[in-house]
Amino acid sequence: EVQLVESGGGLVKPGGSLRLSCAASGFTFSTYNMNWVRQAPGKGLEWVSSISSSGTYTYYADSVKGRFTISRDNAKNSLYLQMNSLRDEDTAVYYCAREYSSWLPGYWGQGTLVTVSS
Amino acid sequence: QSALTQPASVSGSPGQSITISCTGTSSDVGNYDLVSWYQQHPDKAPKLMIFEGNKRPSGVSNRFSGSKSGNTASLTISGLQAEDEADYYCCSYAGSTTLIFGGGTKLTVL
Repeated sequence: EVQLVESGGGLVKPGGSLRLSCAASGFTFSTYNMNWVRQAPGKGLEWVSSISSSGTYTYYADSVKGRFTISRDNAKNSLYLQMNSLRDEDTAVYYCAREYSSWLPGYWGQGTLVTVSS
Repeated sequence: QSALTQPASVSGSPGQSITISCTGTSSDVGNYDLVSWYQQHPDKAPKLMIFEGNKRPSGVSNRFSGSKSGNTASLTISGLQAEDEADYYCCSYAGSTTLIFGGGTKLTVL
């Protein structure tokens, strides 16, 4: 069974940093592209970032480019999102999602809440 | 990029069929057969219902079907049931390995 468990969320001040983690199990992690998707309170889903199975290629939404960094450790079956220069509008539940086909998310974690507030 | 356009809400009675549209552009929905649909119940993670436009993952009811015409993808739910009441989101590959989601549609089962 595919399992994705996010951690690392919390309250941070504007301008601060946070690192999210996603522990994967139940599948061969190193063979799948992975995504981060977020959902602001009461709002819709927003794609944040994707990383290729090997970690060679990374992609970002314009809203986070230059501030967020996606990475993975295939030896540890883990996905990460380093978030710097956080803004109020980054407040959201952040989901780790494994691709089902052609990058499209198919399996989702339970999410971790990031709150940016002074 | 702007979000794909979905109706804010749709409703139907048990047993009826409803369709949710998802309108994009020739750069996303219209250019790729890579549209997925997700069901999200309150305070739950999204669940994949349709992928690659019209394919169902194992375990998803055949009451759910997907289609596409031009720049608009659609999700149809037939034989509405109370447990179908949820938010539904479409998502499309948009080139250069970017993804774009719709704004979401709240389905109410009357």
